Amino acid sequence: ELKVEQNPLFLSMQEGKNYTIYCNYSTTSDRLYWYRQDPGKSLESLFVLLSNGAVKQEGRLMASLDTKARLSTLHITAAVHDLSATYFCASRRDDMRFGAGTRLTVKP
Amino acid sequence: EPEVTQTPSHQVTQMGQEVILRCVPISNHLYFYWYRQILGQKVEFLVSFYNNEISEKSEIFDDQFSVERPDGSNFTLKIRSTKLEDSAMYFCASSVPWGAGEQYFGPGTRLTVT
Repeated sequence: ELKVEQNPLFLSMQEGKNYTIYCNYSTTSDRLYWYRQDPGKSLESLFVLLSNGAVKQEGRLMASLDTKARLSTLHITAAVHDLSATYFCASRRDDMRFGAGTRLTVKP
Repeated sequence: EPEVTQTPSHQVTQMGQEVILRCVPISNHLYFYWYRQILGQKVEFLVSFYNNEISEKSEIFDDQFSVERPDGSNFTLKIRSTKLEDSAMYFCASSVPWGAGEQYFGPGTRLTVT
């Protein structure tokens, strides 16, 4: 059974700092997704990573995928308050499995 | 910009009643999905639908659940006899290809079972 684990679950950081969210998955899967969810809102697709070594960047967020280590990372560069949200990773094998989410708070 | 829409935004129902949640996916998308999120918890996949049939479903999607595309635009999720534990936010999503494609989520329907 595919399991997806994220850490940390809660992250409080100051503006301007860098940090990384980790997403581990338990079985072979080469499709990894990152989503953002604001409180009370729907999910917004951030990245779809399809192959080993894939790296995608959008603004202050960069996602990477290592299929051999079964690990994806979401790196935040020079955080700003607007990035405060919950970030989910999800992996697909036979179906989609989501991690528990990382609640990010960026403080001024 | 095209978007996925869902109705109603909030549905309150009594235990044992049937509910139908409605979604209008983005018009040129081919794959449709339902997810649920119990308050404060992670998102759970329910089912994917392609070419008028279920392509994948999770263990949550038991006989109480069904999906349908009754016409060319709507995609529905029916829960036949609701339970208290069905209370959650239900999200519809659509994409062009399954798996590789970016999924666009609707705003969700909050289902409250009393």
